[in-house]
Amino acid sequence: NAGVMQNPRHLVRRRGQEARLRCSPMKGHSHVYWYRQLPEEGLKFMVYLQKENIIDESGMPKERFSAEFPKEGPSILRIQQVVRGDSAAYFCASSPLRSTEQQFFGPGTRLTVL
Amino acid sequence: GESVGLHLPTLSVQEGDNSIINCAYSNSASDYFIWYKQESGKGPQFIIDIRSNMDKRQGQRVTVLLNKTVKHLSLQIAATQPGDSAVYFCADLLSSGAGSYQLTFGKGTKLSVIP
Repeated sequence: NAGVMQNPRHLVRRRGQEARLRCSPMKGHSHVYWYRQLPEEGLKFMVYLQKENIIDESGMPKERFSAEFPKEGPSILRIQQVVRGDSAAYFCASSPLRSTEQQFFGPGTRLTVL
Repeated sequence: GESVGLHLPTLSVQEGDNSIINCAYSNSASDYFIWYKQESGKGPQFIIDIRSNMDKRQGQRVTVLLNKTVKHLSLQIAATQPGDSAVYFCADLLSSGAGSYQLTFGKGTKLSVIP
């Protein structure tokens, strides 16, 4: 019974490149959440998605960041034209029900922008 | 601003002693709180939760206390073990409208267990 899976676990990009982070929710979960964690900080909510729908993107930066959760395949968090300030750990969580308390977290993707 | 925050960034305890990690919140509308444990290089792991209609909830070796009067909650770990070394976050779940709820995390307390 696999948990939430994220890949890659580590991603290095140069300024101006694109970063794509993938998240496969737990089996049977159709709700996905993305969080960003800066060093020595707590997690900050970015976006909440259901299959083919963005429900709440109030935590997403207005530019360069986008997220999707297609009918088939993993959820993707995309960061265009990365800058050094984007360096952080990005965590995905999934839940079986709408915004349920029980969000199960993946191991995270650590993005480093050179 | 953040809804939750922690009093101390680090805590060192002797193995076998009890640990107490504190958390303050500011939003009176918060009615559900969760404690997470995050080990180095891993995602947050659910430990225990509590609703605002409760003052105390116990799990295996862990107890969460909620004081709504002063908007404070604490996590108590009994007989702390080396495997408890991690960063502990409190979080609350609040409605953000449009049928969505958001987890808001505090900054975390790093617990170090001294063998």
